[in-house]
Parts: sequence; C-alpha cells; structure tokens
Amino acid sequence: SQQGEEDPQALSIQEGENATMNCSYKTSINNLQWYRQNSGRGLVHLILIRSNEREKHSGRLRVTLDTSKKSSSLLITASRAADTASYFCATDRGGKLIFGQGTELSVKP
Amino acid sequence: DAEITQSPRHKITETGRQVTLACHQTWNHNNMFWYRQDLGHGLRLIHYSYGVQDTNKGEVSDGYSVSRSNTEDLPLTLESAASSQTSVYFCASSESGTWDTQYFGPGTRLTVL
Repeated sequence: SQQGEEDPQALSIQEGENATMNCSYKTSINNLQWYRQNSGRGLVHLILIRSNEREKHSGRLRVTLDTSKKSSSLLITASRAADTASYFCATDRGGKLIFGQGTELSVKP
Repeated sequence: DAEITQSPRHKITETGRQVTLACHQTWNHNNMFWYRQDLGHGLRLIHYSYGVQDTNKGEVSDGYSVSRSNTEDLPLTLESAASSQTSVYFCASSESGTWDTQYFGPGTRLTVL
C-alpha cells in the first residue's frame, strides 16, 4: 500500500513556467522527502522537510508541508527542459520510506 | 567519490532459474534497501538491512532473499524466477535511520521469459 500519493500523475508545461506537484499521505510522519528520477536512472534526493517545518527552499525548489491536511507540495520555479523527469514524494512509516507513484513532468522548450 | 553500483544493468532469464542481482556501495552506510519499480505501483520495498547479518522483509518479499555478510554488499536473489518478477530493481543505502536520505543505484532491468 502506498503512503504518499502524488497529484497530478502527469504535467506538461512550457520552459520558464512554474510546476507544482502535490503529495498527500495518510498517517502521521516524521519527515517527507522529494526525489527526482530521470528516465532510465535511479532516484536522486531533492529535499527533506521535517514535520515541524512548514516550508523549505533549495535553489529553484520550494517545498511546503501542511501536517493538518497531510499534504505537501513541490514547486519548481522557472522550469527548464532539464527538469523533465518523474518526481516522487516519500514518507516514513514503520521505520521505512514509502514512495508514492510519482508525477511525470514534461518541460517543453 | 562514494557511490552505489548495481550489476548487471540488464538481465534476461528464464522462468524457474535462480538469479542474483548485485549491489555494492562505498558510502560505508549501515542501511541498504532493495526496491522494485513497476508501472502503476511506484517503488515497492522488497528487503532491507540495517547492518551486517541483519535482514528484514519489505512489502513484496515473497520469492526474494538477501544476505548481508559485509557493509558494502547486499545481493538480491530470486530463488526461482517468475514472469511476475519482470521489473526494474533499485538498490539504495542510507547513513542512519531509514527516514534518512537514501542514495540510489542506477537500477537493473530484469526480464523473466
């Protein structure tokens, strides 16, 4: 069973636009992580936000966490073609990381 | 630079054969994980290890086994390969708690005919 569920499943935007992906989860968490996966590659960690944090930034990435709504969002500003990838949220449950099914982002030049 | 490698990158095998996928990390991480990735299911945890001689079952462990004889390696064995085990397999490691950042290998694409 999946702990995190991403929304939308797929997103297509033009270069320069912002991309927003959402993640909802079911049980309480210690932290939430976002990962990126380029086609044919392994996952790469992007950012970790702890349950007592509401917002975190890393370069063009902005992550928010709303524990009352059990949801998180990942915003990529000024997107580039190189941002084309799948993005996954992951939450800890029972001492393990549980991944969602991912959002497939396509950034068109 | 520290890294995590998987071999082979691609494997084709037949139903019923035993297959072993290798995972080797030079991060000196205690925790290692095996996942499979399938369309419509995301990543699912197969087995994991918190240290040498420690192994634990994940959510889809049936038909798979692992052993941890040293810090660097966690080989995944399919005892008798089935077509349902056709998938992409990823190995990962983390330094401390399982909630910590995980570092992933490049994956092994396994096809069972």
